[in-house]
Amino acid sequence: GAGVSQSPSNKVTEKGKDVELRCDPISGHTALYWYRQSLGQGLEFLIYFQGNSAPDKSGLPSDRFSAERTGGSVSTLTIQRTQQEDSAVYLCASSLPGYNEQFFGPGTRLTVL
Amino acid sequence: DQQVKQNSPSLSVQEGRISILNCDYTNSMFDYFLWYKKYPAEGPTFLISISSIKDKNEDGRFTVFLNKSAKHLSLHIVPSQPGDSAVYFCAAGEGAQKLVFGQGTRLTINP
Repeated sequence: GAGVSQSPSNKVTEKGKDVELRCDPISGHTALYWYRQSLGQGLEFLIYFQGNSAPDKSGLPSDRFSAERTGGSVSTLTIQRTQQEDSAVYLCASSLPGYNEQFFGPGTRLTVL
Repeated sequence: DQQVKQNSPSLSVQEGRISILNCDYTNSMFDYFLWYKKYPAEGPTFLISISSIKDKNEDGRFTVFLNKSAKHLSLHIVPSQPGDSAVYFCAAGEGAQKLVFGQGTRLTINP
């Protein structure tokens, strides 16, 4: 079946602009996660959605970052007033609930000029 | 404060030999540990996991060892193959949700 998909694959934007990144999880996966990977770093947790529960936003680095998940499926990560330090690969993952591995999408490479 | 550390940024191993990748963690509440493999321009791919009730889990050429007292886990790949060349991330969490990832180790298998 289809895996996790993300769009766009690459995004170049100017400092101060807003960007939206999209994630389509695997069908039936109730859990959805956003991470980012800065150059030379590991994956940094951003936000976690599980079913209809309130999302865990504890990893969002600032109030410029927000995410929503509509209808328990597609998720959008929005970064407002982008800064150069926001440049990273943003990865989305989904999983079944419980002790199950997360399946990752290919990521969106964001470059803020 | 890095809760999960992979102290070797790179490792080079000859084809056919054993590759051993190491990972240390600081949070004693972590009870679920995973290894992921990542090729360039792709997302990480799950390899193998282990829960804290076990000290070893094996899947084909891949074995993960967990030493809870030392807060250390390792991934053994034997025999190593050229297709194993990738970046390997260890991850840990309280449950499988908010995983904390290490910085990754780039493994190169030489023919």
